Amino acid sequence: DAGITQSPRYKITETGRQVTLMCHQTWSHSYMFWYRQDLGHGLRLIYYSAAADITDKGEVPDGYVVSRSKTENFPLTLESATRSQTSVYFCASRGAGPYNEQFFGPGTRLTVL
Amino acid sequence: GNSVTQMEGPVTLSEEAFLTINCTYTATGYPSLFWYVQYPGEGLQLLLKATKADDKGSNKGFEATYRKETTSFHLEKGSVQVSDSAVYFCAQLYGNKLVFGAGTILRVKS
Repeated sequence: DAGITQSPRYKITETGRQVTLMCHQTWSHSYMFWYRQDLGHGLRLIYYSAAADITDKGEVPDGYVVSRSKTENFPLTLESATRSQTSVYFCASRGAGPYNEQFFGPGTRLTVL
Repeated sequence: GNSVTQMEGPVTLSEEAFLTINCTYTATGYPSLFWYVQYPGEGLQLLLKATKADDKGSNKGFEATYRKETTSFHLEKGSVQVSDSAVYFCAQLYGNKLVFGAGTILRVKS
């Protein structure tokens, strides 16, 4: 499928477990982003990547790990999930220029019990 | 630091009413500004943007003008429809990243 996809769409896990959220885009966009969406906070940037093997922290990176071995994939891992990481997670991508439109995936709703 | 402040919602309007959602920003310099819309159960979509002061972005009947004097980028629509019910996010470009406001829920009743 063309575009940007996320999997799983819904995930329930327990405190302390490792969870990986997947993001895949088919446009060969250089930039990819992970956000979390929480009521009252809007979208907050967790990590972003300017190209394969280049990643950088956003506003709320603690407790998360990313990697980008291939341009099209940008997985987000919660190494030891906590209840405070219950949220909706959005992946996004855009082309190299900063004024390019950022395209968002459909989101993953994660619940940590 | 760079931030975006939006009016709190939810905003509830009747169909064909006039819409204004306020957005102000703090920044060094003059960042590009954006409005994104999120329909229920979906990711965000770009609605409109303005890349310099006094620019007006427009799309689907929505408009916003970049006002550097008041550091504002208010979203307006002359006549809303039920299908406009969504969450609207104002954002600024800070380096390579977007900084979002908290979002404003719009509910339009028929």
